[in-house]
Amino acid sequence: DAGVIQSPRHEVTEMGQEVTLRCKPISGHDYLFWYRQTMMRGLELLIYFNNNVPIDDSGMPEDRFSAKMPNASFSTLKIQPSEPRDSAVYFCASSISRNEQFFGPGTRLTVL
Amino acid sequence: EDKVVQSPLSLVVHEGDTVTLNCSYEVTNFRSLLWYKQEKKAPTFLFMLTSSGIEKKSGRLSSILDKKELFSILNITATQTGDSAVYLCAVVHFNAGNMLTFGGGTRLMVKP
Repeated sequence: DAGVIQSPRHEVTEMGQEVTLRCKPISGHDYLFWYRQTMMRGLELLIYFNNNVPIDDSGMPEDRFSAKMPNASFSTLKIQPSEPRDSAVYFCASSISRNEQFFGPGTRLTVL
Repeated sequence: EDKVVQSPLSLVVHEGDTVTLNCSYEVTNFRSLLWYKQEKKAPTFLFMLTSSGIEKKSGRLSSILDKKELFSILNITATQTGDSAVYLCAVVHFNAGNMLTFGGGTRLMVKP
């Protein structure tokens, strides 16, 4: 099993640009989670999906952030426009049981 | 407000020592508590605890949950340098959908 796959692994962009992060969950998992991790705020849950449907997006910081899950094997997290304070590591995780979550390797985003 | 608090924030020990990490929580509709180990990459799952007083054990690591006093501990015996990591505690709770709230983590450093 390849585990949760995220791309890109690193992204450096300029303020104002659109950023799209991608995630492929583990096959058969019906929950998908997006997290952001920073030194200041630790690990924060942004949004999660169940069977491709967004269940709770109350963790999304503002309207510049959006997430989609068009099918069971793919999800995107988009930031438009990006700002320097969005710099963080973004993790995607999936689970089959709503409890034990398996994390992807993360995308390190730097917004200049 | 739901919160998960871990202590200590950081800990430095020598190989062979035993350490105890603490996680206390205040959440509505508690479901389970998870422990993760995070080195320089994504968190990896250690334990899931749902019932009070039942110890989960994996090698030198063990964990137990007290749902009356709202806390959990993670014990590591005979520590090794490879145990150096940030240990994260997370609580699964139901609040308009299943949510996961992470604590700030305990940074453990094991010196040779």
